[in-house]
Amino acid sequence: AQTVTQSQPEMSVQEAETVTLSCTYDTSESDYYLFWYKQPPSRQMILVIRQEAYKQQNATENRFSVNFQKAAKSFSLKISDSQLGDAAMYFCAYRRVANIGNEKLTFGTGTRLTIIP
Amino acid sequence: ETGVTQTPRHLVMGMTNKKSLKCEQHLGHNAMYWYKQSAKKPLELMFVYNFKEQTENNSVPSRFSPECPNSSHLFLHLHTLQPEDSALYLCASSRERGDSYEQYFGPGTRLTVT
Repeated sequence: AQTVTQSQPEMSVQEAETVTLSCTYDTSESDYYLFWYKQPPSRQMILVIRQEAYKQQNATENRFSVNFQKAAKSFSLKISDSQLGDAAMYFCAYRRVANIGNEKLTFGTGTRLTIIP
Repeated sequence: ETGVTQTPRHLVMGMTNKKSLKCEQHLGHNAMYWYKQSAKKPLELMFVYNFKEQTENNSVPSRFSPECPNSSHLFLHLHTLQPEDSALYLCASSRERGDSYEQYFGPGTRLTVT
């Protein structure tokens, strides 16, 4: 079974600084998707960034980028120029590639990120 | 907003009550999901519906009963719940097929069982 581990329950970063959130996963599959979701307080969970396992290039979305190390099964999220609006719970998630689109997501326990003004 | 709505946002119920949670998506998706989010635990998938057919039941107790009358609506009927069922219940939707595997989440229903 696939598992996702986020070893940092809480992180904090000074506004405008850079922070990296860790995620490791376990799978026997060779092709899969990895995601980072953001859940702000009392707000909806939204997708931050997605990485396809077959792609060697790390995904980037504006201030958000990932460091995908397939051999090490590591998928960290880097947030540059942190802003107050980045404060949220961040969840790492894994999804197997399948012929149909409704394969389930396996989530980690989350990292609560606090931004210090 | 993500295009997925959930009502009610908060619910307090006794263990003998019967209530229902509602989820609606306006994205034209064909797959819908119920998740349970408890403190300090990973999100737990409960049910998956694909084109109104239940494709996964993740060993959920029978006191939770899902219903999917069409691809846009999903319900979770609750009866004789236990205090440990108190949690945030999230609904999500996605395309059944296609390049996008993103799941879009609703805001959740915060359930408290007394």
